[in-house]
Amino acid sequence: QKEVEQNSGPLSVPEGAIASLNCTYSDRGSQSFFWYRQYSGKSPELIMFIYSNGDKEDGRFTAQLNKASQYVSLLIRDSQPSDSATYLCAVNRNTGRRALTFGSGTRLQVQP
Amino acid sequence: DVKVTQSSRYLVKRTGEKVFLECVQDMDHENMFWYRQDPGLGLRLIYFSYDVKMKEKGDIPEGYSVSREKKERFSLILESASTNQTSMYLCASSPTYRDSPLHFGNGTRLTVT
Repeated sequence: QKEVEQNSGPLSVPEGAIASLNCTYSDRGSQSFFWYRQYSGKSPELIMFIYSNGDKEDGRFTAQLNKASQYVSLLIRDSQPSDSATYLCAVNRNTGRRALTFGSGTRLQVQP
Repeated sequence: DVKVTQSSRYLVKRTGEKVFLECVQDMDHENMFWYRQDPGLGLRLIYFSYDVKMKEKGDIPEGYSVSREKKERFSLILESASTNQTSMYLCASSPTYRDSPLHFGNGTRLTVT
């Protein structure tokens, strides 16, 4: 079992719709969760992070965390073609290491 | 704004060569990391460092070594490059406060022929 799992996609949504990206993790002791966006040929850039169960909103983005189910998601409202990218879920596992463990990413395509 | 600079955007090396990838950050971050990114495999941690002269192995350290002689600089060394080390290499840094995010450099695409 991978430590952080994401559906590779592509996830295709029409412009203006809500895109829902999902991530599950195996280490129950994981403490914090990050969503990065990566455009083709570019390096990952942080979108948002979440530590506590529940929802966290930042503009058009909402991160949702359910530690009991070991599940974290990212919702993108009013999706735009410029949101087309690969979205990486990353987890800070409770190993004492300060590095993040990444999923392999979900490719999102927003159709105009 | 955090700036993480990787010395080369593209590199082409021959099998058996010793390869140095350099990374410099300008935010006085304690932690620095080297990841490689391959299609379908995501980002995998090679090595990281949380202080000068300190290093720890990540998930895939075989065939690599690192050097951190100054706080701002973290070098990845491929002792004898092989074709299976053809990849995108990403350097990142972060401060030490709890659960801080990583800030990435632009990446170095290494091709070993």
